Amino acid sequence: AQTVTQSQPEMSVQEAETVTLSCTYDTSESDYYLFWYKQPPSRQMILVIRQEAYKQQNATENRFSVNFQKAAKSFSLKISDSQLGDAAMYFCALGDGQNFVFGPGTRLSVLP
Amino acid sequence: EAGVVQSPRYKIIEKKQPVAFWCNPISGHNTLYWYRQNLGQGPELLIRYENEEAVDDSQLPKDRFSAERLKGVDSTLKIQPAELGDSAVYLCASSTNRGLVYEQYFGPGTRLTVT
Repeated sequence: AQTVTQSQPEMSVQEAETVTLSCTYDTSESDYYLFWYKQPPSRQMILVIRQEAYKQQNATENRFSVNFQKAAKSFSLKISDSQLGDAAMYFCALGDGQNFVFGPGTRLSVLP
Repeated sequence: EAGVVQSPRYKIIEKKQPVAFWCNPISGHNTLYWYRQNLGQGPELLIRYENEEAVDDSQLPKDRFSAERLKGVDSTLKIQPAELGDSAVYLCASSTNRGLVYEQYFGPGTRLTVT
């Protein structure tokens, strides 16, 4: 069975600083995708970034980037130049075409 | 492009009453998901549809929960009778099946409170 673990229930970062959210996962599949989703207090889940497991290059979307370590089954999210609007719950998720599993989430606070 | 639409946004019912949630996915998205999200936790999949076929309902409590997607578009999730432990946010998501796995687009959710 696929599992996703986020070991940081809460994180905080000063505005304009950089923060890294951790995620580890387990799957027996060779082909899979990893995602980071953001869920602001309004509760609409928004896709932040995705990574195809077969790609070695780490995905980047503006201020968001990932550090994908396939052998270690690690998939961390780095947020650069943090903004107040980045405050939200962040969920790491794993999908392999048959299953889609979310981690428990990390609540990120951004301090002005 | 319109996003995933869910209604109602909020619902308060007494235990043992029935309740239904409705979801309209993004146009052209053939895969539809229903999730339950308890407070402070990640979403848990209840059921996944490919068009009108339920391809994964292993986590759906079938004694009280039912779902349908009759024409492969809109979907309804029903609970009858509701229990106190059913209080949660029910999320609907949709995706296309181009490629291996599919970015899911989520609706705003329905917050259910059972008293």
